[in-house]
Parts: sequence; structure tokens; C-alpha cells
Amino acid sequence: DVKVTQSSRYLVKRTGEKVFLECVQDMDHENMFWYRQDPGLGLRLIYFSYDVKMKEKGDIPEGYSVSREKKERFSLILESASTNQTSMYLCASSLSRPGASMRAEQYFGPGTRLTVT
Amino acid sequence: RKEVEQDPGPFNVPEGATVAFNCTYSNSASQSFFWYRQDCRKEPKLLMSVYSSGNEDGRFTAQLNRASQYISLLIRDSKLSDSATYLCVVNKYSGAGSYQLTFGKGTKLSVIP
Repeated sequence: DVKVTQSSRYLVKRTGEKVFLECVQDMDHENMFWYRQDPGLGLRLIYFSYDVKMKEKGDIPEGYSVSREKKERFSLILESASTNQTSMYLCASSLSRPGASMRAEQYFGPGTRLTVT
Repeated sequence: RKEVEQDPGPFNVPEGATVAFNCTYSNSASQSFFWYRQDCRKEPKLLMSVYSSGNEDGRFTAQLNRASQYISLLIRDSKLSDSATYLCVVNKYSGAGSYQLTFGKGTKLSVIP
């Protein structure tokens, strides 16, 4: 079974703090993704990575950065947390890229519910 | 048309009923289709991939209609444990040779005793 773990289930931070969210997968997947999920807006893609040291912007990258130093680990960084970044953050990984016709399904971690006060 | 559109529900059905959800997508070049389920305050979990010929997994049947650009999910003999939000997921071309998965906002199902 694919296992994706995230460093925290719940996190409370203050406005302006730098926040690190860690994600680790154990299936040797090359592709990793960060999403946020908000009521009424669904899942939105923040950043993704198809290889170590590689990163690409998703639909809503502003205010975020990422780091992929090792294949199994993909970190999301909030450089200066703001209240509008209060959300559920979900990490995912997949064997194939989203453009592939097979094995493109993504497996999610349990999520980090971040509150910025 | 929205990229992926679903009826938000809720669908309230009695145990044992058959329920069907539809999802429409806007990008005719989409190639990958999935149904995920998401329980309250949990992560989405893959329910099934959707193949061109349609596919079945136990009580669950998924169909794809490329001409009309919609995907359906049929649940037979509903169980209380089927209560969840069902997300329709489609890939889309996002430019520069890259694709993304686009998630619908989900259809909420409540199975009632």
C-alpha cells in the first residue's frame, strides 16, 4: 500500500511566521504534489514536482515555496504566514504524471489543518 | 462550462438503494478520469479509475462518455459506510507539455438507515 505521511495533523501559527509542512512517501514515486482544500473551493494545486530538485507552480503558488531535496520528501514552505492561508493542506504522490493514461492516480497524506492567527 | 462540475447534493438515500452521480468536464483532450471518496475531515481516497469501456468494482460501476464529456458513478445496494463526499477527478492540459489533475467540488452522499 502507498503510504504518504505529513508531519503534523494540526498546526497553529501566528501571522508572519515561517511555516514548514513536510510530506514523505514510501513508494518511490517520482511525482509529488501540494494542494490546499477550502470549503466551497475544492482542492487547488499549489506546487508539484516530478523529480528531485525540480518544482513547478500550480494554480495558486503565491505566498508559498517548495523544496524537494530527496525523492521521498516534498516540503511546502509558507514564507510569511497570513490568515488567508488558514486551510487544510494535502500532499499527494503518484507513480505516473497526470498526463499519462495509466497509473496517474494520486495518493494523499492525511492532511495538515493549519490555522494562522 | 466549469472544468469539472458535479451536483453538490446532498443525496439522501435509504440503505439498499441504488444511487448515481454524474460529472461533466470541459476539456475534450482529457485522458485520465477517477472517482475519489472523501470522508469528513479526512483525505481523499481513490475509489476507482474510470476506463473508456467502463469498469466495475463490486457494488461500484463507473462509466465514461467522451462524446458528451461526462463520467458517472453508480453505487448499488448502498451501505451506511458509503456516506461520504465523492470527488470526480479529470486531468487537463496545463501548458508546456504538462498536465494537472482537476478535482470537482464533490457530491455529498448520506445513506440513511
